[in-house]
Amino acid sequence: AQSVSQHNHHVILSEAASLELGCNYSYGGTVNLFWYVQYPGQHLQLLLKYFSGDPLVKGIKGFEAEFIKSKFSFNLRKPSVQWSDTAEYFCAVNIDSWGKLQFGAGTQVVVTP
Amino acid sequence: DAGITQSPRYKITETGRQVTLMCHQTWSHSYMFWYRQDLGHGLRLIYYSAAADITDKGEVPDGYVVSRSKTENFPLTLESATRSQTSVYFCASIGTLDTEAFFGQGTRLTVV
Repeated sequence: AQSVSQHNHHVILSEAASLELGCNYSYGGTVNLFWYVQYPGQHLQLLLKYFSGDPLVKGIKGFEAEFIKSKFSFNLRKPSVQWSDTAEYFCAVNIDSWGKLQFGAGTQVVVTP
Repeated sequence: DAGITQSPRYKITETGRQVTLMCHQTWSHSYMFWYRQDLGHGLRLIYYSAAADITDKGEVPDGYVVSRSKTENFPLTLESATRSQTSVYFCASIGTLDTEAFFGQGTRLTVV
């Protein structure tokens, strides 16, 4: 079965620190990759996506992610986090022609002032 | 308002009761999905639909039923609610397969 793994379940860091969240998937074919963010009490919002082309993807709010095909990874980064980045972050993979998403378990990020 | 809306936002029901969660989107998106969110599992797909009258099971379909008689609506019914179905349910839609999914605000369901 296909799977998506997020390495960290809970991350606590201070404002201005750098953030990197790991995501690995277990499918060998063509994939579409996504990072979604869920702020407390809210729905999922797209941070960024990769379908093809440049493997370094820029998203909203200063986030970026790098697709490394050989490592089956799509890690999310932000050079300097803010308190408002406190949220849960989900990596998701689409591997079929129906648009279905396979999600990782999520990483809860807490940014302290 | 344009977008994808779910109702109710919160629901408490008793074990054994039937409950229906509603999802409505105004974009005429072809693809619609129901996910449940549980701690430690992320989101898991319950059912999906590629168009009106075309639905299929996802990863965790047991105990759920869907229908899609109109493109804009995709209701999810728990035929006989169980405590294990206590969860947050998200509806999502995609217009075309080269775009991202848009999610509703979620329905927090508690089965007592």
